[in-house]
Amino acid sequence: NAGVTQTPKFRVLKTGQSMTLLCAQDMNHEYMYWYRQDPGMGLRLIHYSVGEGTTAKGEVPDGYNVSRLKKQNFLLGLESAAPSQTSVYFCASSSWEQGNEQFFGPGTRLTVL
Amino acid sequence: GIQVEQSPPDLILQEGANSTLRCNFSDSVNNLQWFHQNPWGQLINLFYIPSGTKQNGRLSATTVATERYSLLYISSSQTTDSGVYFCAVEWNSGGSNYKLTFGKGTLLTVNP
Repeated sequence: NAGVTQTPKFRVLKTGQSMTLLCAQDMNHEYMYWYRQDPGMGLRLIHYSVGEGTTAKGEVPDGYNVSRLKKQNFLLGLESAAPSQTSVYFCASSSWEQGNEQFFGPGTRLTVL
Repeated sequence: GIQVEQSPPDLILQEGANSTLRCNFSDSVNNLQWFHQNPWGQLINLFYIPSGTKQNGRLSATTVATERYSLLYISSSQTTDSGVYFCAVEWNSGGSNYKLTFGKGTLLTVNP
């Protein structure tokens, strides 16, 4: 099992450009999450999904959109990137049957110039 | 929302020393996780511990849910233990929605 994977690992954008981050999990988890981590801080929840076709806002959703068309994939989109979105992005997944323990991907380091 | 406070924010140890990291939270939680973020940024699950005590090698954790705190013990520390240790609590944000809130972490440096 690969667990939770994220692509790309690194990306540099110019202000105003758009991009999509892909998260994939092979554990058949129903819940998936996107977080951002800024220097000196813990992770903050951007959006999450409790199942295929459903998404919900987290703590810091502004400037991001998400989609969960397939159970194993969770996409995070930036329509018009801003320097304030420079961060490390982590995806996670969990299963309610397994007590909702969250497992994290390796992260994507995004820089917006 | 719930508040999660970790202490100390920074800790420097000599190899072989023991340490205790603390996590306090402000409200009832569904569960609690401890993570280690290594110097390469990878988040590693250490413990899933809503209550009680668990041990894994040189690491152990205790959560006292009624008093709203958890402790992570590291014994005989090694340089590979260096990194940031995060506590994260899952809480009911309304209805059937549960969210994980992280503390700001404890930066541990173990010197040889």
